[in-house]
Amino acid sequence: EVQVLESGGGLVQPGGSLRLSCAASGFTFSSYPMSWVRQAPGKGLEWVSAISGSGGRTYYADSVKGRFTVSGDNSKNTLYLQMNSLRAEDTAVYYCAKDRLVRFGGFFDCWGQGTLVTVSS
Amino acid sequence: DIQMTQSPSTLSASVGERVTITCRASQSISSWLAWYQQKPGKAPKLLIYKASSLESGVPSRFSGSGSGTEFTLTISSLQPDDFAAYYCQQYNSFSYTFGQGTKLEIK
Repeated sequence: EVQVLESGGGLVQPGGSLRLSCAASGFTFSSYPMSWVRQAPGKGLEWVSAISGSGGRTYYADSVKGRFTVSGDNSKNTLYLQMNSLRAEDTAVYYCAKDRLVRFGGFFDCWGQGTLVTVSS
Repeated sequence: DIQMTQSPSTLSASVGERVTITCRASQSISSWLAWYQQKPGKAPKLLIYKASSLESGVPSRFSGSGSGTEFTLTISSLQPDDFAAYYCQQYNSFSYTFGQGTKLEIK
């Protein structure tokens, strides 16, 4: 069964850092682009970042560019999101999502259950 | 970035009704559009991709249409399990963007 499972969320002070992880199973992790998508409480979905299967290409939303870094470890089938200089507006449930296609298809057929990040003093 | 606008924001309907949700893009995205369903506390679920292709396992009462800047998601006969939020998403170019969502409520 294709699955992704996020971890690493929690409460962090403004200006702090946090690293999210996403463990993948049931598919060839290195073949598929992966994305992070977030959802602020009671709000809609916002795409945050994407990485190619090889890890050689990364993309970011303007709202997180320069603060967040996406990476992957194909030996561990794990996706990461390093979040620095966190702001209150980064408070959200963060989802890991698998691209439907082996290239950048851009739509997502497998999502994790999400991990909540709360930025507050 | 390409802006995606959904209408309506909220839709009240009854079981058995046919409903349509509209999504408009701020510029042409060809057919690079997906639709997702999300239930409270759950992750989104892919319903439609490439504007009109039905994802495997999704009931045939769901259908999508459109190209360019205007798209629709239609549910032909609402079932109790369909009451949820629906989001469109463009993947024509980075940054990918979602519509603000449509909440489908029971009338």
